[in-house]
Amino acid sequence: SQQGEEDPQALSIQEGENATMNCSYKTSINNLQWYRQNSGRGLVHLILIRSNEREKHSGRLRVTLDTSKKSSSLLITASRAADTASYFCATDTGTASKLTFGTGTRLQVTL
Amino acid sequence: GAGVSQSPSNKVTEKGKDVELRCDPISGHTALYWYRQSLGQGLEFLIYFQGNSAPDKSGLPSDRFSAERTGGSVSTLTIQRTQQEDSAVYLCASSLGGASGEKLFFGSGTQLSVL
Repeated sequence: SQQGEEDPQALSIQEGENATMNCSYKTSINNLQWYRQNSGRGLVHLILIRSNEREKHSGRLRVTLDTSKKSSSLLITASRAADTASYFCATDTGTASKLTFGTGTRLQVTL
Repeated sequence: GAGVSQSPSNKVTEKGKDVELRCDPISGHTALYWYRQSLGQGLEFLIYFQGNSAPDKSGLPSDRFSAERTGGSVSTLTIQRTQQEDSAVYLCASSLGGASGEKLFFGSGTQLSVL
């Protein structure tokens, strides 16, 4: 079963604009991670936020976590065509690194 | 190796045949995971190996699916009597120690097509 649902399912923006993706999950978590997937193959880790953190930054990425609402958001600022990919949130419940993935957001950045 | 390696990258088989998918994790990683991704969908957890512990098989969809991890390294996912609904990308990942909060490193996956 999937822990998270992402919103929107698909997002199309122009280069230079910001992209915001949201993730909601169902059970209490220990950590939440965001991954990127190009062309439906291997995923690449982007950023991790722990349950006691509210916001985290990495380069053009900003992640927020609201454990009371069981939700997270990923903001990509000043998007580039190379950011075109699918983005997934993934959670673990603290007992191991086994992750449960959300349904993903397909981001299209056009020139 | 430098990254997680999966083979074959593509596999076409006939319904009813058995298939074996291979995963070679990053050297020194003790945790290994198999996920399945159907077209346009999220990742579905299948099985998780951590060191010498009994694997977490809670995600295997039926008894036609099994996996082994030999010598704490290479893993093989076997699907017996394949069905068309088994068509998907099978992704393998590894992580250093299997602790909460570790990031997973993924292979490029095996695209399985069952005709």
